[in-house]
Amino acid sequence: AQKVTQAQTEISVVEKEDVTLDCVYETRDTTYYLFWYKQPPSGELVFLIRRNSFDEQNEISGRYSWNFQKSTSSFNFTITASQVVDSAVYFCALRGTGANSKLTFGKGITLSVRP
Amino acid sequence: DTGVSQDPRHKITKRGQNVTFRCDPISEHNRLYWYRQTLGQGPEFLTYFQNEAQLEKSRLLSDRFSAERPKGSFSTLEIQRTEQGDSAMYLCASSLGGLDNQPQHFGDGTRLSIL
Repeated sequence: AQKVTQAQTEISVVEKEDVTLDCVYETRDTTYYLFWYKQPPSGELVFLIRRNSFDEQNEISGRYSWNFQKSTSSFNFTITASQVVDSAVYFCALRGTGANSKLTFGKGITLSVRP
Repeated sequence: DTGVSQDPRHKITKRGQNVTFRCDPISEHNRLYWYRQTLGQGPEFLTYFQNEAQLEKSRLLSDRFSAERPKGSFSTLEIQRTEQGDSAMYLCASSLGGLDNQPQHFGDGTRLSIL
């Protein structure tokens, strides 16, 4: 069975601070995919980033960066220089391969960015 | 670029009534997913289709729930004899098949309230 744990429930930061959202996952698949989604107050889930299990290179995309460590089954997401518009619930999700196509989500982290 | 469209956005009904939701995926996407999200939780997988074939159903999908995708385009999710516990946000997502790393793109959801 697949499982995603987001131990942080709520984070509050002041604008321009950096913030890291933690994600730990469990899977028996040797190949899998990890995603981060954002759900603003309007409700729509917005895809942010994805990482394949066979590529551990960490990347930066604009103000977003992620740290994937297979040894600790973690896929952490960092927002640099946070902005008020970043306020949302952030979900980490895990997907297997082939027939195991569904996403397994964590419970989400509510991020509040104060001006 | 038209995203995933869901109708209605909100549905209020009395316990025991039947309800039906519709999802129109992104036009070139052959995979379509249904999820349910309750307050403070991440989305939970219900079922998914590849073209018109329903390939997986969660055990969350009781016999009161049925989903169809008759022509491999739009999908409907019907709940018969609704119960209080069915109150939730019902999310539809679509993705390109063939490559497992393709992200799922979500609609705005249908919020169901059972009186």
